[in-house]
Amino acid sequence: RKEVEQDPGPFNVPEGATVAFNCTYSNSASQSFFWYRQDCRKEPKLLMSVYSSGNEDGRFTAQLNRASQYISLLIRDSKLSDSATYLCVGNAGNMLTFGGGTRLMVKP
Amino acid sequence: DAGVIQSPRHEVTEMGQEVTLRCKPISGHNSLFWYRQTMMRGLELLIYFNNNVPIDDSGMPEDRFSAKMPNASFSTLKIQPSEPRDSAVYFCASSPTGLLQPQHFGDGTRLSIL
Repeated sequence: RKEVEQDPGPFNVPEGATVAFNCTYSNSASQSFFWYRQDCRKEPKLLMSVYSSGNEDGRFTAQLNRASQYISLLIRDSKLSDSATYLCVGNAGNMLTFGGGTRLMVKP
Repeated sequence: DAGVIQSPRHEVTEMGQEVTLRCKPISGHNSLFWYRQTMMRGLELLIYFNNNVPIDDSGMPEDRFSAKMPNASFSTLKIQPSEPRDSAVYFCASSPTGLLQPQHFGDGTRLSIL
């Protein structure tokens, strides 16, 4: 089983929709979580950290569910420019591990 | 502020040739990571350094791959001899003190082995 797993998608949503991705992690002792965004043929870029109490950055909300061992990313009022692959990251021991990514396509 | 700088951006070479990828981490970052990304396997960690010392190279595919970090501002990833299955995008990333800090990626090197 992979340390961090994501549904690869693609998620196809209309502009303005709300979309949510989940990411499960296998190590119950994991403490550090992040969401990255990767555009086609570009490098992964940090989108936001995920805090235990949940956190919000504009249209983006990240949450951690320790009981079920998953993190989530919610995007409200999605824009065409949100189309990308979203990678979740969690630590396995003293190293960060990247999930395979979830592809989001926002359509006009 | 300058981010992680990688060179070359693109490399096309014939199998059997030596390939050297270069990386300059963000100044002040103590950890450096080399990743390989393909459609089939996603983002794979090859090796990482902490304070210029290789800590874990278990992700290096085989002996044809080697990495060095002679100082805090420079690292290389070398493939010798190269094979077509090495074709991928290779990313270098760095992070501040602490391996659980978010990593900052370079633009990557798109490598094609013919």
